[in-house]
Amino acid sequence: GAVVSQHPSRVICKSGTSVKIECRSLDFQATTMFWYRQFPKQSLMLMATSNEGSKATYEQGVEKDKFLINHASLTLSTLTVTSAHPEDSSFYICSARQGRKAFFGQGTRLTVV
Amino acid sequence: GQQVMQIPQYQHVQEGEDFTTYCNSSTTLSNIQWYKQRPGGHPVFLIQLVKSGEVKKQKRLTFQFGEAKKNSSLHITATQTTDVGTYFCHLNNAGNMLTFGGGTRLMVKP
Repeated sequence: GAVVSQHPSRVICKSGTSVKIECRSLDFQATTMFWYRQFPKQSLMLMATSNEGSKATYEQGVEKDKFLINHASLTLSTLTVTSAHPEDSSFYICSARQGRKAFFGQGTRLTVV
Repeated sequence: GQQVMQIPQYQHVQEGEDFTTYCNSSTTLSNIQWYKQRPGGHPVFLIQLVKSGEVKKQKRLTFQFGEAKKNSSLHITATQTTDVGTYFCHLNNAGNMLTFGGGTRLMVKP
């Protein structure tokens, strides 16, 4: 299957700082990528849909100014958690669609201290 | 909006027993995918079902798509400890909305 690389896999940051997470499709072009958040033992909650060359579409309740998404190329989308707080600590996962299938990155475990 | 119910939430089985998880949608689906997530890992694509009544098999795993394209099931025959993880259905309806089921967490006792 297609490969999606997400980096970093783990990050610990201080409260008030910003963190950037990258999601790359390595062997295919993805006009659409998705960002999810997953709390322990829960399902994946879609945060936003990232569209190459245009603004991301955010799900209801997700703060656009806090979770900045940039999809500058067909192989790269980034999620920046701005002014992170401890409640932002979570597992963030991206996926990229190839046809009807979605392939997931390895996920990023963010811990805000 | 689309509502998804995946049951059960948890399942403990003895190794060798069978396991089934069900996914039910309130709306007709274009297709459904199943993913497996190991503890601490990321979701891994298992299979996609598109046709009404479709049945697909992967070794000990059997996937079914309902005739009305509103429900699906994943059945594992003779579970092994390597089957441990959370199984998610991922739904795509005609409006192209993507939703994950709540997941079924499978635990296998050796």
